[in-house]
Amino acid sequence: DAGVIQSPRHEVTEMGQEVTLRCKPISGHNSLFWYRQTMMRGLELLIYFNNNVPIDDSGMPEDRFSAKMPNASFSTLKIQPSEPRDSAVYFCASGVGQAPYEQYFGPGTRLTVT
Amino acid sequence: SQKIEQNSEALNIQEGKTATLTCNYTNYSPAYLQWYRQDPGRGPVFLLLIRENEKEKRKERLKVTFDTTLKQSLFHITASQPADSATYLCALVSFGNEKLTFGTGTRLTIIP
Repeated sequence: DAGVIQSPRHEVTEMGQEVTLRCKPISGHNSLFWYRQTMMRGLELLIYFNNNVPIDDSGMPEDRFSAKMPNASFSTLKIQPSEPRDSAVYFCASGVGQAPYEQYFGPGTRLTVT
Repeated sequence: SQKIEQNSEALNIQEGKTATLTCNYTNYSPAYLQWYRQDPGRGPVFLLLIRENEKEKRKERLKVTFDTTLKQSLFHITASQPADSATYLCALVSFGNEKLTFGTGTRLTIIP
């Protein structure tokens, strides 16, 4: 099993640009989670989906952030426009079955906004 | 306000000894508590889950306890090895919720 796949692994962009992060969950998993990790705030849940439906997006910092899951094998997290304070490592995780899920994390995307 | 505190940012333990990490929480009613390991440059990896009605869980050299009266979980690694060096994160799931809320982590170093 390939595990959770995220792309790109690193992204450097200028303030104001649109950034799209991609995630392919483990096949057969029905839940998908987007997290952000910084030194100051630790690992924070942004949004999660169950069976492709967004369940809780209360962690999304503001309207500049949006996430979609068009099918069971793909999700995107978009930031438009990006700001330097968005610089962080963004993780995608997937889980299977009913809560509490043990979550399987991807390798993360390190985003730097200059 | 709700807090999850792992009260050692860093912990150094001699190889072969038992490492004990602490996770304290306030203003939560956790249904479950999970422990994850994170290596530099990688995503967290699930280790153990313990339910609020369980006192202790074991897996190989790992042991987790959960005391809802003290609002605390302890994570033990016995016969520690340098390969156990990593950051360890605790995470809570509250009743009626599916979200994991993570603590800030403890960076454990096992000294040969």
